[in-house]
Amino acid sequence: AQKVTQAQTEISVVEKEDVTLDCVYETRDTTYYLFWYKQPPSGELVFLIRRNSFDEQNEISGRYSWNFQKSTSSFNFTITASQVVDSAVYFCALKSYNAGNMLTFGGGTRLMVKP
Amino acid sequence: GAGVSQSPSNKVTEKGKDVELRCDPISGHTALYWYRQSLGQGLEFLIYFQGNSAPDKSGLPSDRFSAERTGGSVSTLTIQRTQQEDSAVYLCASSPSGTGGNTEAFFGQGTRLTVV
Repeated sequence: AQKVTQAQTEISVVEKEDVTLDCVYETRDTTYYLFWYKQPPSGELVFLIRRNSFDEQNEISGRYSWNFQKSTSSFNFTITASQVVDSAVYFCALKSYNAGNMLTFGGGTRLMVKP
Repeated sequence: GAGVSQSPSNKVTEKGKDVELRCDPISGHTALYWYRQSLGQGLEFLIYFQGNSAPDKSGLPSDRFSAERTGGSVSTLTIQRTQQEDSAVYLCASSPSGTGGNTEAFFGQGTRLTVV
């Protein structure tokens, strides 16, 4: 069985603050893939990043960065200098071959960025 | 179209009626997923199709729910004898390949189902 936990259900920050969204996962597989999706108020899920289990390099894309640590089974997402447009629900997800490539989502973190 | 297309975008139905929700995946995508999202909640897995393999139906909440995928492309999710607790947004996603996992899923805009 595989599981994704996003312990923070809701986070509120003021614009320009940095914010980190936590994601902890469980899987028995050695080969797996982790994803982050953004769901803005419009409702459609937008893919942000994919990371495979063999690549622990952190990634930065503009104001977004991701910290993957296998030792703690975590794949955290940081937004630097947050903006109001970052307000959304963010989902972390896991897919592994031996779980039949089931895409398992965490419960999501609602981020509210106030001006 | 370029993305995953779902229809209808909104559906209001009376309790006890049957409904069909349609998903057109991205052309060539072999994996197709259905999820349900209740208001303010996370994504609840319903069913997963991968190529010609038997679908994973482990997430279907009751025998009133069924889904099929014709010709490896279009999928239809059917809810029989709808109940008020079925009210939710039903999301469909597709990905190029389920095997290997090294592919992200792309989501449609969802069908908002309201049972009155």
